[in-house]
Amino acid sequence: SSELTQDPDVSVALGQTVRITCQGDRLRSYYASWYQVKPGQAPICVMYGKKNRPSGIPDRISGSTSGDTASLTITGAQAEDEADYYCCSRDSSGTRVVFGGGTKVTVL
Amino acid sequence: QVQLVESGGGVVQPGGSLRLSCAASGFMFSSYGMHWVRQAPGKGLEWVAFLRYDGSNKFYADSVKDRFTISRDNFKNTLFLQMNSLRAEDTAIYYCANVEGNYFDSSATYLEYFQHWGQGTLVTVSS
Repeated sequence: SSELTQDPDVSVALGQTVRITCQGDRLRSYYASWYQVKPGQAPICVMYGKKNRPSGIPDRISGSTSGDTASLTITGAQAEDEADYYCCSRDSSGTRVVFGGGTKVTVL
Repeated sequence: QVQLVESGGGVVQPGGSLRLSCAASGFMFSSYGMHWVRQAPGKGLEWVAFLRYDGSNKFYADSVKDRFTISRDNFKNTLFLQMNSLRAEDTAIYYCANVEGNYFDSSATYLEYFQHWGQGTLVTVSS
């Protein structure tokens, strides 16, 4: 089992807001980063650090962290936001990288 | 612009070997730590290995330790993954990615992220 826990599936109505969470003890010391993966495409980073958004990522995607939980929020979800989202951080040793199990976001 | 191009994937029998390459361009490759990440069919992302920018430190996932070796040639801007004793469960798309950040911020929390990813190369282990 992963050291980072994500809900496997969430759905959101078009234009509504959805929050994805990632829980893990190491998130108290290591920020999570978040990756969007669409079928047949390479992952892209959509959030990192406290609330840093890479260039080109729409501002409807935001992030936050509190204690052992990191969150990714999509405000006003669009059809193109339908994808798998993975959080990423360090394992308990701090030397290896670990991904959460992923959350499949469905936009209805 | 930044490009990471993986190659070397293919079909190999269990117990066989493959060497993956990742050709980098558009950024100062020799200044960045590099990772390999894989995704098995229908599964999630799995971190495989990391190599420091100067090759001085490397780490592996337990699932590949002692079978895979990560290396780099900073003169040729290329990252490698030598995969030996391959198993069916190694079947996956393999991505290379550079890591950005690598520092503790003002709240003493470590920040890093995979900045750029290649398109991946498919490795299939099957008899």
